[in-house]
Amino acid sequence: QVTLRESGPALVKPTQTLTLTCSFSGFSLTTVGKCVSWIRQPPGKALEWLARIDWDDGEYYSTSLRTRLTISKDTSKNQVVLSMTNMDPVDSASYYCAQTSKSSTGDYAFHVWGQGTMVTVSS
Amino acid sequence: SYELTQPPSVSVSPGQTASITCSGDKLGDKYACWYQQKPGQSPVLVIHQDTKRPSGIPDRFSGSNSGNTATLTISGTQAMDEADYYCQAWDSSTAVFGGGTKLTVL
Repeated sequence: QVTLRESGPALVKPTQTLTLTCSFSGFSLTTVGKCVSWIRQPPGKALEWLARIDWDDGEYYSTSLRTRLTISKDTSKNQVVLSMTNMDPVDSASYYCAQTSKSSTGDYAFHVWGQGTMVTVSS
Repeated sequence: SYELTQPPSVSVSPGQTASITCSGDKLGDKYACWYQQKPGQSPVLVIHQDTKRPSGIPDRFSGSNSGNTATLTISGTQAMDEADYYCQAWDSSTAVFGGGTKLTVL
């Protein structure tokens, strides 16, 4: 059974750097085709993809947020870390990590999601 | 940047068929996924690779994708299907979500 759990601060101040950790079980990021993505959702608004890290160390970022994001993995701990710099109140959202799998046809889907963690940016 | 457009809301009577569309430039050349999100819960994948249902998803959920439009169809809609639905596709190694559609079963 695949499970993911996000952890990190519930409150950050403007201009600070947010660091979130996704701890997962039931799969390994050393397995070909396995990836982890981060997605966020401001209250009452739509989902927004942030970043993805792949089994082969590939890193992919949202075009609009690329300069602020860093994704990394620790395969020994089954963890993926997302850092977002220069936080602003508009970044207040629920942040989800999701197991992402590459299909035989090359498509990626967010198969299993964590419960999400709410982050508020306020002074 | 690539955009996916969904109707903000769709209404359906119980037992009827609901169709939710997702439009994007040459979307049919990409794979579309659909996610269901109920209030206070995390999204759940209901359709991937245009038409495939993950295990555990009822067969009343189906998908299609052609031209500029992907469609999620729910046959014999039940009250438990009331939720927000998001389409998603990949463009140039970046994932794009639609704005979401609130499905009301009344």
